[in-house]
Amino acid sequence: KAGVTQTPRYLIKTRGQQVTLSCSPISGHRSVSWYQQTPGQGLQFLFEYFSETQRNKGNFPGRFSGRQFSNSRSEMNVSTLELGDSALYLCASSSLGDNTEAFFGQGTRLTVV
Amino acid sequence: QQPVQSPQAVILREGEDAVINCSSSKALYSVHWYRQKHGEAPVFLMILLKGGEQKGHEKISASFNEKKQQSSLYLTASQLSYSGTYFCGTETGTAGNMLTFGGGTRLMVKP
Repeated sequence: KAGVTQTPRYLIKTRGQQVTLSCSPISGHRSVSWYQQTPGQGLQFLFEYFSETQRNKGNFPGRFSGRQFSNSRSEMNVSTLELGDSALYLCASSSLGDNTEAFFGQGTRLTVV
Repeated sequence: QQPVQSPQAVILREGEDAVINCSSSKALYSVHWYRQKHGEAPVFLMILLKGGEQKGHEKISASFNEKKQQSSLYLTASQLSYSGTYFCGTETGTAGNMLTFGGGTRLMVKP
């Protein structure tokens, strides 16, 4: 079974630009969650999508948004990038149900210059 | 508020045991444990649910004290492959999958 696939793996953007990251979950998984990982703040929850609907949201500004498609693939978008948005963005997929184990992708390393 | 993990770092010799603790100030529904090696994705180790259900790797054991909102991960007879950063993730509700992670515990196993 293929794992969680995130693209691209690395990205360099300039302040003020916007970026879109993609996540393909494990086949059959309908829940996709996004996390931001930085050395200072650790792993922080961004949002979760389930059946194309945002089910949970973390404490991030509105510049961070996401969506999920009918095939469960998910994208997250960050607009008006700031230097502090530089981080590893991890996507995790879970099977049907609540409080199930999450399988993480390799992440997208975003650098904002 | 994120759970607190202790210790922050630990160094072991192969074959030694270690315990990593995770404590929350909120009532918990579940505790998840993950290990992340440098440059890699976090890997699921175990989930402990309120009520006693557990799912995870056979060689990993953990406990969950629901009354104290604490969980401990027990690593016995450590191997070099156990090195990495261990994270606990907690969930306070039953709807969805939304983890609040602790700051992590760095474990290094030396030959």
